[in-house]
Amino acid sequence: DVKVTQSSRYLVKRTGEKVFLECVQDMDHENMFWYRQDPGLGLRLIYFSYDVKMKEKGDIPEGYSVSREKKERFSLILESASTNQTSMYLCASSFGGAATNEKLFFGSGTQLSVL
Amino acid sequence: GNSVTQMEGPVTLSEEAFLTINCTYTATGYPSLFWYVQYPGEGLQLLLKATKADDKGSNKGFEATYRKETTSFHLEKGSVQVSDSAVYFCALSDRKGFQKLVFGTGTRLLVSP
Repeated sequence: DVKVTQSSRYLVKRTGEKVFLECVQDMDHENMFWYRQDPGLGLRLIYFSYDVKMKEKGDIPEGYSVSREKKERFSLILESASTNQTSMYLCASSFGGAATNEKLFFGSGTQLSVL
Repeated sequence: GNSVTQMEGPVTLSEEAFLTINCTYTATGYPSLFWYVQYPGEGLQLLLKATKADDKGSNKGFEATYRKETTSFHLEKGSVQVSDSAVYFCALSDRKGFQKLVFGTGTRLLVSP
């Protein structure tokens, strides 16, 4: 069965800390995505990557960066965590190419609280 | 820009009731349309999709028809079960590729026995 694994289910950090959220997929997918999910706002795309070492900004990239050194791993980095980054973070992956109707496979999410 | 509007929840139904969750979209061109479902404590999973006008997506008794003239993709099920309780997200992907999805705000469905 296909799998997208996020390293932590719950995470509590302090304001100003550097935070790493890790995501690993075992499906040899080209594309990987980071979304944040907030009540009343749905899911919003932070960054995505369509190949190793390639990345593109999504709709809300401010305050975040990403790293994709290996095909199966996509990391989201909060350089200096702030309270407004408290949220549920969802990683997703999909097959490669520019097709627009492929399904996304999601991880279970990481609930990040920044105090 | 592209956007998706869903009805606000929660939607509360009794088992075996008929379900409709409304979804309308704004997009340039002809997007693909999706319904994703999120069960408690889990990530999202694809429920159904439609890629062109008048297509009907269906899965697990759920259906949605791509209506270009009304820019809608309403989700329906004839008889809901308690196990259908979840949050449902309508989404579209624009034609620029890479499966970048624009999601609605989600609609929580609660089904009681």
